[in-house]
Amino acid sequence: EDKVVQSPLSLVVHEGDTVTLNCSYEVTNFRSLLWYKQEKKAPTFLFMLTSSGIEKKSGRLSSILDKKELSSILNITATQTGDSAIYLCAVERPWDSNYQLIWGAGTKLIIKP
Amino acid sequence: EPEVTQTPSHQVTQMGQEVILRCVPISNHLYFYWYRQILGQKVEFLVSFYNNEISEKSEIFDDQFSVERPDGSNFTLKIRSTKLEDSAMYFCASRGRSHTDTQYFGPGTRLTVL
Repeated sequence: EDKVVQSPLSLVVHEGDTVTLNCSYEVTNFRSLLWYKQEKKAPTFLFMLTSSGIEKKSGRLSSILDKKELSSILNITATQTGDSAIYLCAVERPWDSNYQLIWGAGTKLIIKP
Repeated sequence: EPEVTQTPSHQVTQMGQEVILRCVPISNHLYFYWYRQILGQKVEFLVSFYNNEISEKSEIFDDQFSVERPDGSNFTLKIRSTKLEDSAMYFCASRGRSHTDTQYFGPGTRLTVL
C-alpha cells in the first residue's frame, strides 16, 4: 500500500532556530514530491521536487529530494512566528493516474517568540 | 493571480440531508479534485475528474457522493444523505496540463453534520 510518512509529527522551537522536517515515501508510480504549508485553511504550495539532489529555495525555506532514500527534507532557517503551521508532504502520481496526490499526516510546527 | 474559489465557506446540515459543495476551478485547468480533511487528521483524496468524467475515486467516495461539472466553470460535490462522519473540511483543487503544474487548492468548505 502506498504511503507517505512525515516526521516529527510536531515540533516546538524558538524564533531564530533552524528546523528540518522529514518526509519518506513508498509509492508506486512516483512523479514528484510536493511540500505545502497549511495554516488556517487550504494548503498553499511551497515546492515541487522531481529530480534527486537539486535543492529548491524560496527565501528561508529550502527542500531537497533523495530518490535513492525515497525521502525529502524541508529546511527552514531563522524561523519566525509566521512560520507556525502544519507542513504537508505529498507524492504526486503521473498523468496516467491523473496526478493524484498521496498525503502525509503533516508536521505541526510551532515557533515560540 | 487566478485562484480556486469555493462556496459556502461553512455549511451546517442535519443528518440525512443532501448538501452540494461548489467550486470554481482556475479557468484553463483541466484536472479537478475533491479532498476532505477531518479535524486533526490527514488530507484524504476523494475523487479526480478529467475530460468530463471521474478518472479516479477513493474508497471514501461511495454511492452517497457524486460530482458534476454542469456548466464548464463550476465543479460540484454532492453528498446525498449526510452522516455525522461526513463532518470535515472539503477542499477542491485544480491543475493544468503542463508537466510543471501543480494542484492549487480552494479555501475549503467546512461541513458540519448535526
